[in-house]
Amino acid sequence: AQSVAQPEDQVNVAEGNPLTVKCTYSVSGNPYLFWYVQYPNRGLQFLLKYITGDNLVKGSYGFEAEFNKSQTSFHLKKPSALVSDSALYFCAVRYRSGSARQLTFGSGTQLTVLP
Amino acid sequence: NAGVTQTPKFQVLKTGQSMTLQCAQDMNHEYMSWYRQDPGMGLRLIHYSVGAGITDQGEVPNGYNVSRSTTEDFPLRLLSAAPSQTSVYFCASSYSGQGTYNEQFFGPGTRLTVL
Repeated sequence: AQSVAQPEDQVNVAEGNPLTVKCTYSVSGNPYLFWYVQYPNRGLQFLLKYITGDNLVKGSYGFEAEFNKSQTSFHLKKPSALVSDSALYFCAVRYRSGSARQLTFGSGTQLTVLP
Repeated sequence: NAGVTQTPKFQVLKTGQSMTLQCAQDMNHEYMSWYRQDPGMGLRLIHYSVGAGITDQGEVPNGYNVSRSTTEDFPLRLLSAAPSQTSVYFCASSYSGQGTYNEQFFGPGTRLTVL
């Protein structure tokens, strides 16, 4: 079975500092990995995804994520946080093969960027 | 494009009542899905569809029915509402085919309370 874990419910960071939101996954095969962001009272918005190739993936709003197969991690990063980055962030994983229409989400990490 | 639309935005039901949550997309996406979001649990898949006339169960299907008569619409029916179904419901869609790596587009959500 596939699963994804976000070990931190809450991450606080000062504006201008680098931010990291952690994600680890568990799948038996090769995964597709995604990050989504949810602003208050809104649906989820796609940020970036890892399919294959370069382990460093760049996405929307200056975010990037690094796929690390040996550590089964896909941490979300941004070099300089903005107050407007404050939101709920979800990591998600999907198998590459089989009946893998299902996307499994982590429990979410609330990011607060302090001015 | 309107993207993914959901109605209603808010709904209060009494235990035992039935209702239908509406979802529509205008992007000609083959794949559509319904999730529920509960605090600390991320998003959990209820039902999904890979095309008109084809539906399947997700992680938490009990108490819900779906049908897909057109590409555009994917309604979710609550047969007999229970307090445990109090949640925020999100509809999502994406391109299909080999694209299990395609990102999903989410609607704004329906906040349902069952008394």
